[in-house]
Amino acid sequence: DAKTTQPPSMDCAEGRAANLPCNHSTISGNEYVYWYRQIHSQGPQYIIHGLKNNETNEMASLIITEDRKSSTLILPHATLRDTAVYYCIVRVESGANNLFFGTGTRLTVIP
Amino acid sequence: KAGVTQTPRYLIKTRGQQVTLSCSPISGHRSVSWYQQTPGQGLQFLFEYFSETQRNKGNFPGRFSGRQFSNSRSEMNVSTLELGDSALYLCASSLEGGYGYGYTFGSGTRLTVV
Repeated sequence: DAKTTQPPSMDCAEGRAANLPCNHSTISGNEYVYWYRQIHSQGPQYIIHGLKNNETNEMASLIITEDRKSSTLILPHATLRDTAVYYCIVRVESGANNLFFGTGTRLTVIP
Repeated sequence: KAGVTQTPRYLIKTRGQQVTLSCSPISGHRSVSWYQQTPGQGLQFLFEYFSETQRNKGNFPGRFSGRQFSNSRSEMNVSTLELGDSALYLCASSLEGGYGYGYTFGSGTRLTVV
């Protein structure tokens, strides 16, 4: 079942920050937020994940609200290569060996 | 290191035939999962294999089956193909599976059923 809600599409100017929102109002205390992206004709790629603290890696930052009901993935300086479908996934850290991808947000980076 | 390799990249089959797709995971990865991606249903989990055993299965009919070999390579088979089986089939490997991260996906096999 879909536990997340994402806007179907967003545009972002090249070089600007891309902020992709995700609502997960029914998230449980032991569920993490994961982000994957899928560039056209490729398999999904893991980006980042977090539980309640903000996280940053070489690809992106993840901001989770204090009540954990929503989060934002931030690509600090979007490039054309960041054009992709971005999926927000909520699940426990370990357990069932499947990922539920939902419909995602199609991000288009505009030159 | 080499990524996840799926063969073939493209395949055209006739309705009623069967097909076998192959996935070679990253060296050392023991878990292989399979997903089906269609425009209408998106990415859907098919099944996962770990140490030659199916550990988890999605909601697909019995025409979809798979197996894993001792070297962790995996195959999935679809029998009695239907037009609706046309899709991109993706496999993902991970060290142990069971986590929300650590999956590396292949580029997929695009199956067209005519």
